[in-house]
Amino acid sequence: DAGVTQSPTHLIKTRGQHVTLRCSPISGHKSVSWYQQVLGQGPQFIFQYYEKEERGRGNFPDRFSARQFPNYSSELNVNALLLGDSALYLCASSPSTGVNEKLFFGSGTQLSVL
Amino acid sequence: AQSVAQPEDQVNVAEGNPLTVKCTYSVSGNPYLFWYVQYPNRGLQFLLKYITGDNLVKGSYGFEAEFNKSQTSFHLKKPSALVSDSALYFCAVRPEGFKTIFGAGTRLFVKA
Repeated sequence: DAGVTQSPTHLIKTRGQHVTLRCSPISGHKSVSWYQQVLGQGPQFIFQYYEKEERGRGNFPDRFSARQFPNYSSELNVNALLLGDSALYLCASSPSTGVNEKLFFGSGTQLSVL
Repeated sequence: AQSVAQPEDQVNVAEGNPLTVKCTYSVSGNPYLFWYVQYPNRGLQFLLKYITGDNLVKGSYGFEAEFNKSQTSFHLKKPSALVSDSALYFCAVRPEGFKTIFGAGTRLFVKA
């Protein structure tokens, strides 16, 4: 079975642009979460979607948005990019939203903002 | 506030020696604790979790973790380190179903 897939793997943008990152969860997983990992830090929670509805949002500005599609894939959108948005963006899937569930991570999208 | 702390930025051990990567947590309610490992240019991989029950949890690749409620700790251990264990290790807590909180990470370096 395929794992969590993310695209693109690398992306270079300039300040002020917008970006769309994509994620396909493991087959059968209905929950998708997004995390931002800045170099030297642990992943920071951005969003969780379950059954196409937003279930949680982290402490990120409104420039960050996301959605989940009927096939449970997801997009993360970031508008008006800032230099500080440069990071590895990780997508994780799980079957549902139980507190005892482990997360399955993709390899991430490395975003560089110049 | 819910949080985890990893007090060591880096841990160095010799191959064949036991290793410990430390983690302390602060949660209200029941702690649901996890360890993940990250290899270069890769996403995180699940190692083990503590939900309830035995304080010693066994996980993947020979790793185990000891839950200590009185010390609010969840240290990761392995009896005999391998060079291939060299990676970045994250302790995490999942206080609610929609959010996982990660520590800052500890880089493990195993020397041959």
